[in-house]
Amino acid sequence: RKEVEQDPGPFNVPEGATVAFNCTYSNSASQSFFWYRQDCRKEPKLLMSVYSSGNEDGRFTAQLNRASQYISLLIRDSKLSDSATYLCVVTPAGPQGGSEKLVFGKGTKLTVNP
Amino acid sequence: NAGVTQTPKFRILKIGQSMTLQCTQDMNHNYMYWYRQDPGMGLKLIYYSVGAGITDKGEVPNGYNVSRSTTEDFPLRLELAAPSQTSVYFCASSRTLSIPQQYFGPGTRLTVT
Repeated sequence: RKEVEQDPGPFNVPEGATVAFNCTYSNSASQSFFWYRQDCRKEPKLLMSVYSSGNEDGRFTAQLNRASQYISLLIRDSKLSDSATYLCVVTPAGPQGGSEKLVFGKGTKLTVNP
Repeated sequence: NAGVTQTPKFRILKIGQSMTLQCTQDMNHNYMYWYRQDPGMGLKLIYYSVGAGITDKGEVPNGYNVSRSTTEDFPLRLELAAPSQTSVYFCASSRTLSIPQQYFGPGTRLTVT
C-alpha cells in the first residue's frame, strides 16, 4: 500500500458545484496532515492544515478520520479559480522516517468549468 | 520577506555538464528540502537538511549533492547531467518539527539534452 493515495481524478465540475476529495494514508502513527494546491507549472502552496476535530476555511472544509486513516477536502460553491491540482500531504512517523519530512500524494486535478 | 527564492528559473544543460541550483530562504527556517517533479507525477524528495551542516538523503539522491553551510542557503549540485534529470526542481523550507508545514520556492525547470 502506498504511503499516501488520492482519488485519481481528474474532476471536472461546473461553477457552483460542491466537490470532495479523499485521501488515504498507510502509517497509523502519522501526526500531521495538510492539503496543498498546485497551479499548473507553479509551486505547491499550503491550502490548509487538517485537524482531528475538522476545520473550515471559508468554502473549504477538511476532515481527518484516524480510525479509517483517511483525510477529506470539501470545496463548496466552486469557483473558476479553484481549478488546480490538490495534494494530500502527511508526515510519516515510525521506522521509515521522522516528522521532519512530508509525504506528498500525487494529487487530484480539478477543473471548474463556467 | 521574500520567502524561498530559487535561481535560475530555467536552464538547458548538455549531457555531462554540471550545475548548481541555488535556494535561499529568509524565514529563519531550520529545515530545507529539495524535490523533483516530473511531468504528471508527484514530488520526490532528493535531499533534506535539518540545520546548518546537516544533510540527509531522500528518496532519489543519486546524481545529486547538497551542502548547508548557512541556515539560509541550500544549494543542489548536479554532476554529469543526464536526460533522466530533466525535471522541475523545487526547494522548500519549514520551521520546526512542531510546525512541519513546508513553503516552496517557484522552482527551476531543467532540461538535459
